[in-house]
Amino acid sequence: AQSVTQPDIHITVSEGASLELRCNYSYGATPYLFWYVQSPGQGLQLLLKYFSGDTLVQGIKGFEAEFKRSQSSFNLRKPSVHWSDAAEYFCAVATWGDTDKLIFGTGTRLQVFP
Amino acid sequence: NAGVTQTPKFQVLKTGQSMTLQCAQDMNHEYMSWYRQDPGMGLRLIHYSVGAGITDQGEVPNGYNVSRSTTEDFPLRLLSAAPSQTSVYFCASSYSKGSSTEAFFGQGTRLTVV
Repeated sequence: AQSVTQPDIHITVSEGASLELRCNYSYGATPYLFWYVQSPGQGLQLLLKYFSGDTLVQGIKGFEAEFKRSQSSFNLRKPSVHWSDAAEYFCAVATWGDTDKLIFGTGTRLQVFP
Repeated sequence: NAGVTQTPKFQVLKTGQSMTLQCAQDMNHEYMSWYRQDPGMGLRLIHYSVGAGITDQGEVPNGYNVSRSTTEDFPLRLLSAAPSQTSVYFCASSYSKGSSTEAFFGQGTRLTVV
């Protein structure tokens, strides 16, 4: 069965610092991978997704993620964090032919200090 | 441009009471789903629907019923609420189109069962 692991429950960074949020997945074939962001009291917004092709994916708000098949990872990065990036981030996986059924990781809460 | 609308935003129920969480989307999406979000557990799929008249169970379906009589609406029913159903519930819709797939989420319903 597919699963997603986000090993970091909570991360704190200073504004302007770089950011990397980790995501590992378990799935036998090539997965479809997503990163969502949830601001306090809000729903989830899609940051970026990987389906195939270039393993470095650009998203909104200056985020990018890299798919590494050998490491079963899809880490989210941002070169310079802004205070408005404070939120909870979820990695999710879907399978070919069932791309609408998302399996989520447990999330990483990002705190940004000025 | 409403997207996915959930009502109510907040609800308190007594154990044993029933209620329906409403979800409506105006994007003509085929696929709709319900997730619950619990601390440290991410989002878990409760039920989903691939079109009007078609529903199926997700990962945590027990205690919940759904129906899909129209493309726009996908209500979630709690027949006899239990404290274990205290959670934040999210409805999502998507139009599966290969790599164009993207799930749009509502703002959530925070349910407390006492």
